[in-house]
Amino acid sequence: QKEVEQDPGPLSVPEGAIVSLNCTYSNSAFQYFMWYRQYSRKGPELLMYTYSSGNKEDGRFTAQVDKSSKYISLFIRDSQPSDSATYLCARSNAGNMLTFGGGTRLMVKP
Amino acid sequence: DVKVTQSSRYLVKRTGEKVFLECVQDMDHENMFWYRQDPGLGLRLIYFSYDVKMKEKGDIPEGYSVSREKKERFSLILESASTNQTSMYLCASRSGGTNEKLFFGSGTQLSVL
Repeated sequence: QKEVEQDPGPLSVPEGAIVSLNCTYSNSAFQYFMWYRQYSRKGPELLMYTYSSGNKEDGRFTAQVDKSSKYISLFIRDSQPSDSATYLCARSNAGNMLTFGGGTRLMVKP
Repeated sequence: DVKVTQSSRYLVKRTGEKVFLECVQDMDHENMFWYRQDPGLGLRLIYFSYDVKMKEKGDIPEGYSVSREKKERFSLILESASTNQTSMYLCASRSGGTNEKLFFGSGTQLSVL
């Protein structure tokens, strides 16, 4: 079992929809979680990070961590075509290194 | 603005060639990393460096080596390129503190024929 798992998609939604992207992780020894966004032919860029359970909000984006079920979610409200990208979740390990999921490809159609 | 620059965007090499991928960061970061990204496998860590002239193996170091002679520059070397090393290579850097963010370059798409 991979340490961090994501559904690869693609996930296709209409503009304005609420998007839910999810990750599960298998190792409880973590420090923090991150979401990266990667546009086509570009490197990943940090979108959000969170250290604890619960929600963290930044504009249209909300990151949610549920430690009891080892579940990480990213919600995008009022999705836009410019949100079309691959979203990578990552978690840190005891050595302060990041383990990435495989990424979920999102397509927001106008 | 934070910048990690990879020298080549696309590279085509032949089997057996020695390949150098260069990465430069302008943020005075202590830590630098090389990942490869393959469909379905996500990002996998090849090598990383905590400081000049220091290197550590990541999860998939076989067939690769690295060099860090200056703080701002981290090179990935494929001693004898093989077709299974065709991939997107991503360089990243971060400062030396705990829980610091990774900043990525735009990647080098390497094709080995």
